[in-house]
Amino acid sequence: DQQVKQNSPSLSVQEGRISILNCDYTNSMFDYFLWYKKYPAEGPTFLISISSIKDKNEDGRFTVFLNKSAKHLSLHIVPSQPGDSAVYFCAAPGGGTYKYIFGTGTRLKVLA
Amino acid sequence: NAGVTQTPKFQVLKTGQSMTLQCAQDMNHEYMSWYRQDPGMGLRLIHYSVGAGITDQGEVPNGYNVSRSTTEDFPLRLLSAAPSQTSVYFCATRREGKGSPLHFGNGTRLTVT
Repeated sequence: DQQVKQNSPSLSVQEGRISILNCDYTNSMFDYFLWYKKYPAEGPTFLISISSIKDKNEDGRFTVFLNKSAKHLSLHIVPSQPGDSAVYFCAAPGGGTYKYIFGTGTRLKVLA
Repeated sequence: NAGVTQTPKFQVLKTGQSMTLQCAQDMNHEYMSWYRQDPGMGLRLIHYSVGAGITDQGEVPNGYNVSRSTTEDFPLRLLSAAPSQTSVYFCATRREGKGSPLHFGNGTRLTVT
């Protein structure tokens, strides 16, 4: 049972436009969510998180929105830059504080 | 300040061979974990540790052993490698506290033939 789902394996966006990456979850008990970015041959790096008591968190060009009723979160990148081209994972602590569950990732390509 | 260091970066094994993937951290984090990344599967938790002497199983623990004798090190052992263990392995640490993010190493790419 995939508790955290990223249904779009890939996304292409023009430089300067908005990138929207989506994530759905099934467990309403998740109390926070995280987004990670991964470049080839490197480990994932933490990007931004959101607590379940909020519906938005912003950090520079990156904003995460949480819709608890729809069990859906999204990551917005504005404006998108070629350096944003990477795989993005959403994650949540499942089965206890220590077991982070990751989605399958979305590969973002920002076209110059 | 190196963060999380994994060695080796690449390894090729024959079926049945054993090896240890090393993970060391200098962040003084109590929590350490191992994930594997496979195409279309995301990152899956293998084993984790909440402190020296304490380990527990994750989502896909079969075929792997771990131990935690120090805060700094968390090695992952493959006792008898199988082709299904071909993957990229990541070690990750985090500090205590709700919402604290994982910090990952750069991974070990393992191929079992």
